[in-house]
Amino acid sequence: DQQVKQNSPSLSVQEGRISILNCDYTNSMFDYFLWYKKYPAEGPTFLISISSIKDKNEDGRFTVFLNKSAKHLSLHIVPSQPGDSAVYFCAASEVRGGNQFYFGTGTSLTVIP
Amino acid sequence: DGGITQSPKYLFRKEGQNVTLSCEQNLNHDAMYWYRQDPGQGLRLIYYSQIVNDFQKGDIAEGYSVSREKKESFPLTVTSAQKNPTAFYLCASRTSFAGGRSPLHFGNGTRLTVT
Repeated sequence: DQQVKQNSPSLSVQEGRISILNCDYTNSMFDYFLWYKKYPAEGPTFLISISSIKDKNEDGRFTVFLNKSAKHLSLHIVPSQPGDSAVYFCAASEVRGGNQFYFGTGTSLTVIP
Repeated sequence: DGGITQSPKYLFRKEGQNVTLSCEQNLNHDAMYWYRQDPGQGLRLIYYSQIVNDFQKGDIAEGYSVSREKKESFPLTVTSAQKNPTAFYLCASRTSFAGGRSPLHFGNGTRLTVT
C-alpha cells in the first residue's frame, strides 16, 4: 500500500508564475519529509526538507509547507523557470523507525516559457 | 568531488543470469540504499544498510541480494529469481549525523534490461 501519494501525475505552469506540487501521506509516524527533483536517466537531486516540528521551510525559490493534521505537504516554486521542468518526488521517513524513506510516484512539472 | 558512482549506466543481460550492479561512494556516509524505479511507480526500496556488515530488506527484496563489506561499497545482485528485473536502479547514501534527519544522496542510476 502506497504510504506517500502524489495524485497529480503532471502539472504545467507559465514561466514566472507559482508552481504548487502536492503530496499526501498516510503514516502518522512520519516525521521527516523531503522533496527531490529528477531528470530522465539521472538520479534524484535533493531540493528541500522539513521536520515535523515545523510547518514551513524556505530555501530561495523553494518553500515546503507541512500540514500534519491533514497529512499533507506541498512544494511551492516561485517564480517558476523553464529549468525547473522535471519530475518532482516527495519522500517521507520515520526517523526512529529505521530510516527507511518512502517515495511518492512523482509529478512531472513543465514550465512553459 | 565527492559523490556516488554507479556503474555501468546501461546493462543488458539474458534471462536466467545473475548480474551485479556496482555502487561506490566517497562521501564517508554510513548508510546506503538501493531503490528501483519503474514507470508510474516511484522509487521502491530494495535493501538498505546502516553500517558495514549489516543490511535490512526493503519492501521488494525478493530476488535480490546485497553485501556491505566496506563502508564505501554496496553492490546489488539481481538474481535469476527476480521475476521482473528490467528497471532503473538507484543507489543512495546518507550520513548518520543530524539525528536521522539527513537527506539521501543519489547516484545517476543503472538501467538494467533483461531479455
